[in-house]
Amino acid sequence: GAVVSQHPSWVICKSGTSVKIECRSLDFQATTMFWYRQFPKQSLMLMATSNEGSKATYEQGVEKDKFLINHASLTLSTLTVTSAHPEDSSFYICSARGRGTTYNEQFFGPGTRLTVL
Amino acid sequence: GDSVTQMEGPVTLSEEAFLTINCTYTATGYPSLFWYVQYPGEGLQLLLKATKADDKGSNKGFEATYRKETTSFHLEKGSVQVSDSAVYFCALSHTGNQFYFGTGTSLTVIP
Repeated sequence: GAVVSQHPSWVICKSGTSVKIECRSLDFQATTMFWYRQFPKQSLMLMATSNEGSKATYEQGVEKDKFLINHASLTLSTLTVTSAHPEDSSFYICSARGRGTTYNEQFFGPGTRLTVL
Repeated sequence: GDSVTQMEGPVTLSEEAFLTINCTYTATGYPSLFWYVQYPGEGLQLLLKATKADDKGSNKGFEATYRKETTSFHLEKGSVQVSDSAVYFCALSHTGNQFYFGTGTSLTVIP
């Protein structure tokens, strides 16, 4: 089946630093990748959608200058949290769909837990 | 707009009990419906799906039937196990791009 990985699985950083999270599709070409944020005991909130080779589309209320998304290849998307602050601490999940996957499904990565001190 | 409403948890059941987690939706047209499961500290895994009315999705003993007349997609399992303890999310999508998730229902199964 379609497998999506994320790296790192968890990260702790100091306030003011930047953190990069990678999302990879392992066995299919991800033409579209999605980034979600999940707060404790809450549902997933879509942050942005990115298509390979083009700029990401951000959901309303998501700061594009703070959450930089790059989808440079068909197997890799990155989310960079710039100048992180404690309120950015959260569980970040990516998902992907693309060639070789069922048209109406997204395949989710295992998530990255970010803690900003 | 499209939305998903699921029963609030947490739900606590004894092993081998019957499970129902209610899910209703509001949507235009004919979306696909999904149940995802999230184990502690992990991402979401697709549990089952249904793409049209009256379809029944099933996997690992879980079932859900796409009921257009009641706009529902309730998750059921006849006999839960401790290993089923997780958070369950109901979701809908038309095209596979925009997913609408419910708030999740936490299930704890005790021996």
